[in-house]
Amino acid sequence: EAQVTQNPRYLITVTGKKLTVTCSQNMNHEYMSWYRQDPGLGLRQIYYSMNVEVTDKGDVPEGYKVSRKEKRNFPLILESPSPNQTSLYFCASSLSEGGTDLSTDTQYFGPGTRLTVL
Amino acid sequence: QKEVEQNSGPLSVPEGAIASLNCTYSDRVSQSFFWYRQYSGKSPELIMSIYSNGDKEDGRFTAQLNKASQYVSLLIRDSQPSDSATYLCAVKSGGSYIPTFGRGTSLIVHP
Repeated sequence: EAQVTQNPRYLITVTGKKLTVTCSQNMNHEYMSWYRQDPGLGLRQIYYSMNVEVTDKGDVPEGYKVSRKEKRNFPLILESPSPNQTSLYFCASSLSEGGTDLSTDTQYFGPGTRLTVL
Repeated sequence: QKEVEQNSGPLSVPEGAIASLNCTYSDRVSQSFFWYRQYSGKSPELIMSIYSNGDKEDGRFTAQLNKASQYVSLLIRDSQPSDSATYLCAVKSGGSYIPTFGRGTSLIVHP
């Protein structure tokens, strides 16, 4: 089954304790991205990756790191989490950016990770 | 800064009615337009994508795109209580790798 998976689905942690949220897709997609979703603010881009070893900042990258060492995986790293990073996080992937076939830029989302930082 | 604007709602419609959701965007070179449905606590699910001016129909859903006026809309015919959710509009320009999302419109379909 074609899917995007995230782990863990729920996490409660304390300020300053490093954590990693994993994201994996089995669709051979080139593009992967991370969003956070907060009430009243919608989905905001954190980081995205265009291919292996190629990443770029989104709109709210402060406090986050990412890596793309394999095409299928795109982990989100919080080196020193703070309470303002309490949020619902989504990983997404798409085949490409569109180009001549615009339909390939549809994003598919993982199930989400609800993070609470105390 | 690319902006995608949606009325937050809630939009309340009776069962069986047509629900009309609207979205405007600021980037004139936008090429790809998406409507996602999101139930509370769940991940966004793609309903429709549209790339050309005009209407695109899929079952009870119709997406309408007007690039000159920079708006895209979603019509839901014969609305059902199960359609109650937040609807996210997303817009991507040719120069962007991933889309920008609006904050979503909450739809409530009451029996």
